Amino acid sequence: AQSVTQLDSQVPVFEEAPVELRCNYSSSVSVYLFWYVQYPNQGLQLLLKYLSGSTLVKGINGFEAEFNKSQTSFHLRKPSVHISDTAEYFCAVSDKGAQKLVFGQGTRLTINP
Amino acid sequence: SQTIHQWPATLVQPVGSPLSLECTVEGTSNPNLYWYRQAAGRGLQLLFYSVGIGQISSEVPQNLSASRPQDRQFILSSKKLLLSDSGFYLCACKARRPVSTGELFFGEGSRLTVL
Repeated sequence: AQSVTQLDSQVPVFEEAPVELRCNYSSSVSVYLFWYVQYPNQGLQLLLKYLSGSTLVKGINGFEAEFNKSQTSFHLRKPSVHISDTAEYFCAVSDKGAQKLVFGQGTRLTINP
Repeated sequence: SQTIHQWPATLVQPVGSPLSLECTVEGTSNPNLYWYRQAAGRGLQLLFYSVGIGQISSEVPQNLSASRPQDRQFILSSKKLLLSDSGFYLCACKARRPVSTGELFFGEGSRLTVL
């Protein structure tokens, strides 16, 4: 069965610094990959997704992620974070054609002024 | 695009009382529907999913049940709540038409506190 590991449960960074949130998934031939953001007491919002094609995916709010098939990773990056980026971030993976999306445990990103 | 409505947004219930959380979807037909629970400080746990009316798959044996009486309505229920049922419940939808790209769209969540 598919599984997702988010290596960091919490990531504190200073405002305007770069950030990388790490995500690894268990091996599969064909997968869809996603990053979601959750602000306090809200549902999850899609940041970006990888379906096929270019391995560098750009999303909303200046985030991007790179799909690395050989390392089964899909790390999320932003070159300069803002206070408003403080939130919980979830990586998710789905085998193509599967009914379910498997989520990682989440990474809490805290931006300090 | 899809819109998912959940209610109530907040609920405080005594142990042993019943529960009904409702989710309705707009903007798509014949979607897959999902109930997730998020306990405090933890990730998302898939509770139930449905691929059609009356079709429910349970992921985790527990004190809860789900029903899908209409194509775009998904209900989470319990006959007697436990303290451990407290959490943030999220309904999600995956469109299947014209082609599914696998992503889920989420509602705003229902926060349940069992006392």
